[in-house]
Amino acid sequence: AQSVSQHNHHVILSEAASLELGCNYSYGGTVNLFWYVQYPGQHLQLLLKYFSGDPLVKGIKGFEAEFIKSKFSFNLRKPSVQWSDTAEYFCAFSDSSYKLIFGSGTRLLVRP
Amino acid sequence: DGGITQSPKYLFRKEGQNVTLSCEQNLNHDAMYWYRQDPGQGLRLIYYSQIVNDFQKGDIAEGYSVSREKKESFPLTVTSAQKNPTAFYLCASSTPQGTGNTIYFGEGSWLTVV
Repeated sequence: AQSVSQHNHHVILSEAASLELGCNYSYGGTVNLFWYVQYPGQHLQLLLKYFSGDPLVKGIKGFEAEFIKSKFSFNLRKPSVQWSDTAEYFCAFSDSSYKLIFGSGTRLLVRP
Repeated sequence: DGGITQSPKYLFRKEGQNVTLSCEQNLNHDAMYWYRQDPGQGLRLIYYSQIVNDFQKGDIAEGYSVSREKKESFPLTVTSAQKNPTAFYLCASSTPQGTGNTIYFGEGSWLTVV
């Protein structure tokens, strides 16, 4: 069955630390990949997405993600986090249909 | 402005009752979705619809039903068969696959069973 795994459920970092959140999916065909963010009390926002082309995708607020097909991974990175990055982050993928599957989320806490 | 409207925002239901959550979009999107969000479990897909008069079960469809009689509407009924219905429900819609499959979310509906 198709699925998305986010192995880190909770991450705590200090400001200026580097961030990498893991995301792996299970599907053998062509995929579209997404990272969404949900700030406390707010709704889901799209951070970045990958459909084709350059596997290194840049999104909003200094985030980027790299699609590594051989590893079925789409990890999210940010070189230097800020307190305002405290949020829950969701990885998601869709296959050739409209079905969009989300991971269970990673809660990031950035300490000032 | 274009967007997705979910109603009601808060709903209380007695055990044994069915309840219907409304979702309307004016984005002219073909695809619509219903997700359930529970703490620590992310968003789990209940049902999705690629086109009018057609819909598919997601990962947790048991105890739920949907209809798609109009392109802009995708109501979700939480039936009495759903064992743990208290949750936050999100409706979404998306552009066609060929143009990027970007998904837009509604503001959600909180359902509490009392």
